[in-house]
Amino acid sequence: KAGVTQTPRYLIKTRGQQVTLSCSPISGHRSVSWYQQTPGQGLQFLFEYFSETQRNKGNFPGRFSGRQFSNSRSEMNVSTLELGDSALYLCASSGGQGIETQYFGPGTRLLVL
Amino acid sequence: DAKTTQPPSMDCAEGRAANLPCNHSTISGNEYVYWYRQIHSQGPQYIIHGLKNNETNEMASLIITEDRKSSTLILPHATLRDTAVYYCIVRVALSGNQFYFGTGTSLTVIP
Repeated sequence: KAGVTQTPRYLIKTRGQQVTLSCSPISGHRSVSWYQQTPGQGLQFLFEYFSETQRNKGNFPGRFSGRQFSNSRSEMNVSTLELGDSALYLCASSGGQGIETQYFGPGTRLLVL
Repeated sequence: DAKTTQPPSMDCAEGRAANLPCNHSTISGNEYVYWYRQIHSQGPQYIIHGLKNNETNEMASLIITEDRKSSTLILPHATLRDTAVYYCIVRVALSGNQFYFGTGTSLTVIP
């Protein structure tokens, strides 16, 4: 099976812009979770989508949003970018039922100038 | 938030067993312990998980104490490619998938 894929892998934006990142889960997986990783805060949970619905949400401002499509692919959007949004954004997929292992993608490296 | 405590760094000689400890003294009865590792700037890689019993797979062994307040990840024959940050995670007993990562242990395998 192909693993979790994320596009783009690298991105450079300027403050005030918005950005959309994409994640394709492992075939058959219905849950997609997003994480932000920065040197100062480490790996932090953003939100999880299951069956096109947000199921869990971390402690991030409303500028961070996401959605999931019927084929389980997910996108996350960050509006009005700030310098502090520079980070590695990771998505992880799992089947979505019960206690499950999450499998991570390679991440999208976002740099905000 | 993260409910685990790990040493910030460890060294291990190549070919020897690497034993990475994790303290999770507030773990609940239905919470699993997961281990992931992250090689520089890549996505975290799943290693192993367990609830009560010791577990072993092709990558590692997981030893969980009887009171479940701590665990040890064992890499039986460490190689240079095992150099990474290792995260011990207690899966929050909520609906859905929500992993809280701590700061992890940076393992360096020395030739």
